[in-house]
Amino acid sequence: GESVGLHLPTLSVQEGDNSIINCAYSNSASDYFIWYKQESGKGPQFIIDIRSNMDKRQGQRVTVLLNKTVKHLSLQIAATQPGDSAVYFCAEMDGQNFVFGPGTRLSVLP
Amino acid sequence: DTGVSQNPRHKITKRGQNVTFRCDPISEHNRLYWYRQTLGQGPEFLTYFQNEAQLEKSRLLSDRFSAERPKGSFSTLEIQRTEQGDSAMYLCASSLSLPNTEAFFGQGTRLTVV
Repeated sequence: GESVGLHLPTLSVQEGDNSIINCAYSNSASDYFIWYKQESGKGPQFIIDIRSNMDKRQGQRVTVLLNKTVKHLSLQIAATQPGDSAVYFCAEMDGQNFVFGPGTRLSVLP
Repeated sequence: DTGVSQNPRHKITKRGQNVTFRCDPISEHNRLYWYRQTLGQGPEFLTYFQNEAQLEKSRLLSDRFSAERPKGSFSTLEIQRTEQGDSAMYLCASSLSLPNTEAFFGQGTRLTVV
């Protein structure tokens, strides 16, 4: 079946630097994607979404880029802060439900 | 708090026992999802409801699992004859039924089968 995967299971960045988390998806028909942040012991928290008719969307300190040609999604976090430490998942809408990748653990170093 | 609420937050049960979890979605959301998440993995889809109708079930949802949403508001997920492999975080999410709209998750119920 179709699936969403993530590169680099862990990522460490210095506080204040920018972070880039990548995601590869396989369903070329997917038209909606979400990035979630999950802290230990908590449910996934919505960060930002993007529809397939866009290639970039910006939020507060976060930017999502979508490259449909190579089926690649990325999340950029500007000026990474200790509170950004978490596991980040990309999810694609497959029919009426969301398919998640395995996640990338972001660690922010002081 | 108007977010998705799940109860209990933690459940420890002996193998073979039945357990039931409850999810209260965001009040105006008519879609409700159940996911399962094991350590180090992303959430895996189990089933979803549009109002009270259960519209899709994953292969992961064995005969021991049943979900209901009797009045189109809260939902329950029951696991019968629990097995150690059922130990996981069970997540509920809700959304509007508009196309391409985000789902909001609850804090989950962590099940441990001993």
